[in-house]
Amino acid sequence: EPEVTQTPSHQVTQMGQEVILRCVPISNHLYFYWYRQILGQKVEFLVSFYNNEISEKSEIFDDQFSVERPDGSNFTLKIRSTKLEDSAMYFCASMRRTSGNTIYFGEGSWLTVV
Amino acid sequence: SQQGEEDPQALSIQEGENATMNCSYKTSINNLQWYRQNSGRGLVHLILIRSNEREKHSGRLRVTLDTSKKSSSLLITASRAADTASYFCATEVEYGNKLVFGAGTILRVKS
Repeated sequence: EPEVTQTPSHQVTQMGQEVILRCVPISNHLYFYWYRQILGQKVEFLVSFYNNEISEKSEIFDDQFSVERPDGSNFTLKIRSTKLEDSAMYFCASMRRTSGNTIYFGEGSWLTVV
Repeated sequence: SQQGEEDPQALSIQEGENATMNCSYKTSINNLQWYRQNSGRGLVHLILIRSNEREKHSGRLRVTLDTSKKSSSLLITASRAADTASYFCATEVEYGNKLVFGAGTILRVKS
């Protein structure tokens, strides 16, 4: 069964450093998402991406965050200058077409900022 | 409470028993989805129920949706130790295509 793959599975970074989290969504999917989950808390929406542009973003997704689909298969989340509070599990997700369909999640990238 | 709140927060049962988890939400939705998360792992999709559906089954899972009460329940029958995980409901709000997650129910099935 096709799946969303994410790399790295775990990254430790110094505060202030830039981090890029990578995702390969399911190949025929059109909608892409990033969510995050701080340890012990609920899963929070960050951003959705469709037709090569951001379709919606949350208050969390401020200027230090950016997303890109550099080619036909990858979808990346960049955090420009990491803060301690950015430590979380970051999930990439994708959906085949319009709303009302299953959103599939990857295994997550665990980011630790020290 | 926020969109997609589950109760109970934690549930501990014996293997073979049924587990019921509830979810409430506030706004109109297109659908409601349930996910499972094993500790430190990804979110595994379990079942999707659309706003015009009232009940859905998948194996040992039974999901109900009551849009008048803005609530849903997930029933896992004949639970197994391997069902131990966190379970989240997530709503796709009307006119949107993102999911809003609840806080989750931690289920522990003792063997």
